[in-house]
Amino acid sequence: DTGVSQDPRHKITKRGQNVTFRCDPISEHNRLYWYRQTLGQGPEFLTYFQNEAQLEKSRLLSDRFSAERPKGSFSTLEIQRTEQGDSAMYLCASSPTLAGELFFGEGSRLTVL
Amino acid sequence: DAKTTQPPSMDCAEGRAANLPCNHSTISGNEYVYWYRQIHSQGPQYIIHGLKNNETNEMASLIITEDRKSSTLILPHATLRDTAVYYCIVRVGAAGGGNKLTFGTGTQLKVEL
Repeated sequence: DTGVSQDPRHKITKRGQNVTFRCDPISEHNRLYWYRQTLGQGPEFLTYFQNEAQLEKSRLLSDRFSAERPKGSFSTLEIQRTEQGDSAMYLCASSPTLAGELFFGEGSRLTVL
Repeated sequence: DAKTTQPPSMDCAEGRAANLPCNHSTISGNEYVYWYRQIHSQGPQYIIHGLKNNETNEMASLIITEDRKSSTLILPHATLRDTAVYYCIVRVGAAGGGNKLTFGTGTQLKVEL
């Protein structure tokens, strides 16, 4: 399967711990997106990259959140000092072009106790 | 991007056509209508998109009214596997600064025997 891959699929952590999620986009897709989804809501945009450049960040992305895409391939999303409100599904998507459809991964579900 | 209004839920009998409406009365001339769906515990999946002409692909048909203020997604022969949340999204085209999508809460379609 050459779709968008996310790891881990599930993460349970205690409040105050740091967590990191990884996203491997479809090969040669130069755009990569991170979204967050809470129960009963649609996905909310967090940030996106074109190659290694982070071009836009949502106001939802507080100082505790950081995303990187160091070589324009895979990306990581780190959450520092997690809070219970961070519990959500974190979705990654990639796209080959500026106007192309987004291909989503299956998400990483975070539970903060 | 223009806001959209969708019914929160709909039911459909298996084998029948499912017609999912979407209102986007404030749509601008350069904004496209996109449809994605999200099956439980999976990432969103692209279905179809259009600007002003009706569109059809292997998954669905998209009917856009002449004034472009509303649209209907048609699944011609719904199956149980079509049970999902369907999102109608309006966004600018390629010249509008990226293909970031803004999701609402969508329509929960339940296909029943």
